[in-house]
Amino acid sequence: EAQVTQNPRYLITVTGKKLTVTCSQNMNHEYMSWYRQDPGLGLRQIYYSMNVEVTDKGDVPEGYKVSRKEKRNFPLILESPSPNQTSLYFCASSYLGSYEQYFGPGTRLTVT
Amino acid sequence: AQKITQTQPGMFVQEKEAVTLDCTYDTSDPSYGLFWYKQPSSGEMIFLIYQGSYDQQNATEGRYSLNFQKARKSANLVISASQLGDSAMYFCAMREGVGSSNTGKLIFGQGTTLQVKP
Repeated sequence: EAQVTQNPRYLITVTGKKLTVTCSQNMNHEYMSWYRQDPGLGLRQIYYSMNVEVTDKGDVPEGYKVSRKEKRNFPLILESPSPNQTSLYFCASSYLGSYEQYFGPGTRLTVT
Repeated sequence: AQKITQTQPGMFVQEKEAVTLDCTYDTSDPSYGLFWYKQPSSGEMIFLIYQGSYDQQNATEGRYSLNFQKARKSANLVISASQLGDSAMYFCAMREGVGSSNTGKLIFGQGTTLQVKP
C-alpha cells in the first residue's frame, strides 16, 4: 500500500530535550516536505527536499533541522524544543512533476 | 505573493442539504493546482478534490465538486447531500509548479469548520 508514515504519532516532551520525528514514504517520491499546523493559521511549510541531499527552508524553519540521506526518509529534528513548537506536524511527499502531495497521518507534539 | 483566503471560519448545514465552502486565491504563476482537504477531529488530512489551472471543466469527485472561476480567482467547494460524517475542518490549498523559482509547497487557507446538523 502506498503511504507516508510518521513516528511517533503523539509526543509530549520537555523544553530542550532533543527529538526526532521520522517520516518515510514508499512511493519513490523525489519531493518531501514538512508542515506544521496551528489554529487559525492553516498549515505552513517548515522545510522541503527535492531529492536526496537537497533540502531547503520553507516559511517557518527556525528551530528545526532536516536531513535527506535516503530517498524514502525525511526526518524532522528539533535540537532544543520550546513550547512554541507545540503543534501538529505533517510530512508530505510527491513526484516532482506532480501537483498532488500525499500526507502522513500527523504527529501531535506538546513541549512543556 | 501567493495566498489562499477562506473567509468562513465556521459553517452549519442541515443533513442532506448542499453547502458551499468559499476559497479565493492569489498567484502570478499561470500554472498551479488547487486542492481541498478534509480534516476530521482525528487529525489526518484527507484529499478530496483537485483542479488544475488549465483544466477546462470543473472537477468532481462523488458528492464533491469544485466551482472553479479562474477570472475571479475562486475555487469554492460544493458538497451535495451533506452527511453527518462530513462534519470536519476543510482546507483549501494551492500548489505552484515545482521549478527553479518555486518550492512546490502547498499554501493553505485558514480552514472552515463545517458542522452538519441532523
